[in-house]
Amino acid sequence: DADVTQTPRNRITKTGKRIMLECSQTKGHDRMYWYRQDPGLGLRLIYYSFDVKDINKGEISDGYSVSRQAQAKFSLSLESAIPNQTALYFCATQQSTDNEQFFGPGTRLTVL
Amino acid sequence: GENVEQHPSTLSVQEGDSAVIKCTYSDSASNYLPWYKQELGKRPQLIIDIRSNVGEKKDQRIAVTLNKTAKHFSLHITETQPEDSAVYFCAAPYSGAGSYQLTFGKGTKLSVIP
Repeated sequence: DADVTQTPRNRITKTGKRIMLECSQTKGHDRMYWYRQDPGLGLRLIYYSFDVKDINKGEISDGYSVSRQAQAKFSLSLESAIPNQTALYFCATQQSTDNEQFFGPGTRLTVL
Repeated sequence: GENVEQHPSTLSVQEGDSAVIKCTYSDSASNYLPWYKQELGKRPQLIIDIRSNVGEKKDQRIAVTLNKTAKHFSLHITETQPEDSAVYFCAAPYSGAGSYQLTFGKGTKLSVIP
């Protein structure tokens, strides 16, 4: 089945380290999103991309950067991780002709 | 941007009872309003959505109602079952400045007590 996958699924790192989270999809969707989920705060948008050459900031982009290497791949980087970036990170995809977003399984990131 | 408020934050019901979760949004141009369900340890998944030109939509035991004038929409779950226990998120799109993105509510944790 076509799916959205994320690597790694869990990561523990230290303050100041550079971290990359990766997202891949076999759905053939053109739009991809990165969200973070914190308890009681719902899902907040970090960055999104409507096509390979299109990158847009979301609600909480400070401290993050992204790269859309191909239509199927969208990676999220934390250049210098800090403890308040500890969260559950979700990638999502969407076809521009539809409204539904499909989420990956999530990456649990802990910054010590 | 879009402001989405969701209530209550937690809800406990007895198995077989109904559950209602309410959501308000600020952008009157929002024309697509989805509800996502996230089971413990799982990814969010779309369960139902409604377009702004429709007042109600049903899918078996779940339904969504929309009051476009008041800018609020509600999720209704009837004959609740233990497998309905999850966190539910509403969302509304923000279409400002040529972009398109969903703003999610903070979630409602529903517990169905057997």
